[in-house]
Amino acid sequence: GAVVSQHPSWVICKSGTSVKIECRSLDFQATTMFWYRQFPKQSLMLMATSNEGSKATYEQGVEKDKFLINHASLTLSTLTVTSAHPEDSSFYICSASSVSRLYNEQFFGPGTRLTVL
Amino acid sequence: GEDVEQSLFLSVREGDSSVINCTYTDSSSTYLYWYKQEPGAGLQLLTYIFSNMDMKQDQRLTVLLNKKDKHLSLRIADTQTGDSAIYFCAESMGGSARQLTFGSGTQLTVLP
Repeated sequence: GAVVSQHPSWVICKSGTSVKIECRSLDFQATTMFWYRQFPKQSLMLMATSNEGSKATYEQGVEKDKFLINHASLTLSTLTVTSAHPEDSSFYICSASSVSRLYNEQFFGPGTRLTVL
Repeated sequence: GEDVEQSLFLSVREGDSSVINCTYTDSSSTYLYWYKQEPGAGLQLLTYIFSNMDMKQDQRLTVLLNKKDKHLSLRIADTQTGDSAIYFCAESMGGSARQLTFGSGTQLTVLP
């Protein structure tokens, strides 16, 4: 299957700082990338959907000014958590999909553990 | 709206079969998936089934779909300790949306 990487795998930051998380599709062109948030022992909650070259579509309740998403190329999407606070601490997972895939498969990155002190 | 439900926990003995169940509410689902998540890791697609299928088998994995009852199950034969993980079912509407709706996840514990 296709490979999706995330960087960093974990980050600890102070409250009020901004953190950027990168999501890369390594061996295919991802026309669509998704960002999820997962709290401990809970399911994945979709935060936003981004298509290359266009603005991201955010799910209800997700602040677009706080979670900035940039999908500048077919292999890279970034999520920036601006002015992070302890309640933003979570496991952030991205996934990538391509229109060439027949069954809507999303390939998931390994996740980024964000801890805000 | 969309809602996908799973039981939270399942324990089985090594060598037994595991059956993880999932119910969904949206009858327009096109694809249904099973993902595996090991601690601290992302999701690994185990298998998927198209909504016009009843069953799909892939080595130790068997997926059963009852579209009338909106019930999906994953059977793992000869369960091993390496199968211990959280298993998520997910549904997709297909088309250009490509969005997945995940269940709450079932924590499978395999006892020696």
